[in-house]
Amino acid sequence: DAGVTQSPTHLIKTRGQQVTLRCSPKSGHDTVSWYQQALGQGPQFIFQYYEEEERQRGNFPDRFSGHQFPNYSSELNVNALLLGDSALYLCASSLGTNSYEQYFGPGTRLTVT
Amino acid sequence: AQSVTQLGSHVSVSEGALVLLRCNYSSSVPPYLFWYVQYPNQGLQLLLKYTTGATLVKGINGFEAEFKKSETSFHLTKPSAHMSDAAEYFCAVSDHLTGGGNKLTFGTGTQLKVEL
Repeated sequence: DAGVTQSPTHLIKTRGQQVTLRCSPKSGHDTVSWYQQALGQGPQFIFQYYEEEERQRGNFPDRFSGHQFPNYSSELNVNALLLGDSALYLCASSLGTNSYEQYFGPGTRLTVT
Repeated sequence: AQSVTQLGSHVSVSEGALVLLRCNYSSSVPPYLFWYVQYPNQGLQLLLKYTTGATLVKGINGFEAEFKKSETSFHLTKPSAHMSDAAEYFCAVSDHLTGGGNKLTFGTGTQLKVEL
């Protein structure tokens, strides 16, 4: 049973650039949530996708956007990168938007220089 | 909105000693509570969860937690620490959102160090 997978593992970008991170949910799951974990902090909710639409959003600027594909996989896009965007980006999947149990992937470590 | 407070950003115990990691929550509705563990350079692994029913919940790797509504607490314990328990631990509460959907709200984490 394949768990949540994310790619790439690590990424280095320059300020002002754009980045795309990818996530494949656990088999059978249809909902994907994204979290940002800054160094020394707990994860912070970015947004949640279900049925190819953004259903909920945390307190993040519009530079953060996403997409969900018909196969339930998802992308997180960040435009105009800032140094403060350096973090571990975690993808979590669940079955349905009301499921309280979320399964996390290994994360993508983004470094902005 | 729900929130979680973890007391103690760093906890150090000897191998074989009791592990106690503290978590207090704030919630306007009956909470769903979770403990996750994160090993270096890895994602989050669910240790245990409380939804309804029995207030003492058992998880993986010998961990357990007790939901105490009167104290708004959900502390994580393990009777005997092992070197492999060294990791960062996060307490989280599930927040059901207006319009559907839910998110996890995490505490700031507790780094557990296990010494010989």
